[in-house]
Amino acid sequence: GQSLEQPSEVTAVEGAIVQINCTYQTSGFYGLSWYQQHDGGAPTFLSYNALDGLEETGRFSSFLSRSDSYGYLLLQELQMKDSASYFCAVRASLNSGNTPLVFGKGTRLSVIA
Amino acid sequence: DAGVIQSPRHEVTEMGQEVTLRCKPISGHDYLFWYRQTMMRGLELLIYFNNNVPIDDSGMPEDRFSAKMPNASFSTLKIQPSEPRDSAVYFCASSSRTGGSFYEQYFGPGTRLTVT
Repeated sequence: GQSLEQPSEVTAVEGAIVQINCTYQTSGFYGLSWYQQHDGGAPTFLSYNALDGLEETGRFSSFLSRSDSYGYLLLQELQMKDSASYFCAVRASLNSGNTPLVFGKGTRLSVIA
Repeated sequence: DAGVIQSPRHEVTEMGQEVTLRCKPISGHDYLFWYRQTMMRGLELLIYFNNNVPIDDSGMPEDRFSAKMPNASFSTLKIQPSEPRDSAVYFCASSSRTGGSFYEQYFGPGTRLTVT
């Protein structure tokens, strides 16, 4: 089986930096993805890490440490529009042998003025 | 491209009725996923298809749920009979192993289902 742990809620100030952590336990690991979902909207893809290290895309960066089964999403220069839920997801092996994405429960980020 | 299209966007039905949700994936994508999202359980994978063939349906909660993909541009998720605990937002997503990344899934707007 697999499990993912991420904080349920985070609050940060506009213009600041926030880090959302994700730890995972899986039988077979292929990579870690991050998705953003605004209230009432659909999840949208942000980033993917297959190898250790930092991937940067504009204000968002994602980090992976395979040895620690840990990753994080870093959001810089926070804007009010960044208020949303953020999900980490791993592609992991099911008992069936298939390897779909499994999503964490999500972290609700509130950006305040 | 129009993105993943789902219909209806909202569905309110009475317990015991049949519900059919529809999805049109992005053209050229060879994977299609059905998810259910609730506050309690988060985003759960129900079933996924590759090249119209069901690959894993271990997430389908009960025999009341069934899904089909008769061709590359259409899939349905059917609940019969529906129960109040089926109330949730149902998302369809698609991705491509060849044209993009399996890890980058494109989600439709979802169908908000309420069973009374």
